[in-house]
Amino acid sequence: AQSVTQPDIHITVSEGASLELRCNYSYGATPYLFWYVQSPGQGLQLLLKYFSGDTLVQGIKGFEAEFKRSQSSFNLRKPSVHWSDAAEYFCAVGSTGGGNKLTFGTGTQLKVEL
Amino acid sequence: EADIYQTPRYLVIGTGKKITLECSQTMGHDKMYWYQQDPGMELHLIHYSYGVNSTEKGDLSSESTVSRIRTEHFPLTLESARPSHTSQYLCASQQGNYGYTFGSGTRLTVV
Repeated sequence: AQSVTQPDIHITVSEGASLELRCNYSYGATPYLFWYVQSPGQGLQLLLKYFSGDTLVQGIKGFEAEFKRSQSSFNLRKPSVHWSDAAEYFCAVGSTGGGNKLTFGTGTQLKVEL
Repeated sequence: EADIYQTPRYLVIGTGKKITLECSQTMGHDKMYWYQQDPGMELHLIHYSYGVNSTEKGDLSSESTVSRIRTEHFPLTLESARPSHTSQYLCASQQGNYGYTFGSGTRLTVV
């Protein structure tokens, strides 16, 4: 069964600093990988996704993520964080075979200090 | 621009009442999902559907029920609400193997 681990429950960074949110997955084949962001009281918005090809994927709002098969990781990065990036971030994995449900991590709460 | 709509956004209701949370999408997606999420917590899949007249229970046991009579509509019903049902309910749709599109959620409070 597929699974996702987000080891950091909370992260605090200063505005303008760089950000990296960690995500490790468990899946037998090449997975589909996603990062979502959730602002308070809202649904989840897709930031970026990886299906195949280039292992560095660009998303919205200046975010990027790198797929590293050898480390089973899909970490999210942003070179310079803005105060509006404060939110909950969820990593998710989907299967390439039949059954398309996504499995979500427990989320990382990002706080941005001004 | 959201193409999946959940109503109501907020609902406060008394114990024992029957409620239906609405979810509609205009994208023609086959797959639809309901997640339950407590504040600041992970998402728990409670129901999903891969097409009309197809519904399945998710990983988290729930007293709610769902129906899928039309592709675009996937309502969730609680026959008798209890305080333990207080939570945020998120609806999502999906086409093929692509990521989900989420609605804005319904925050339910049962008093």
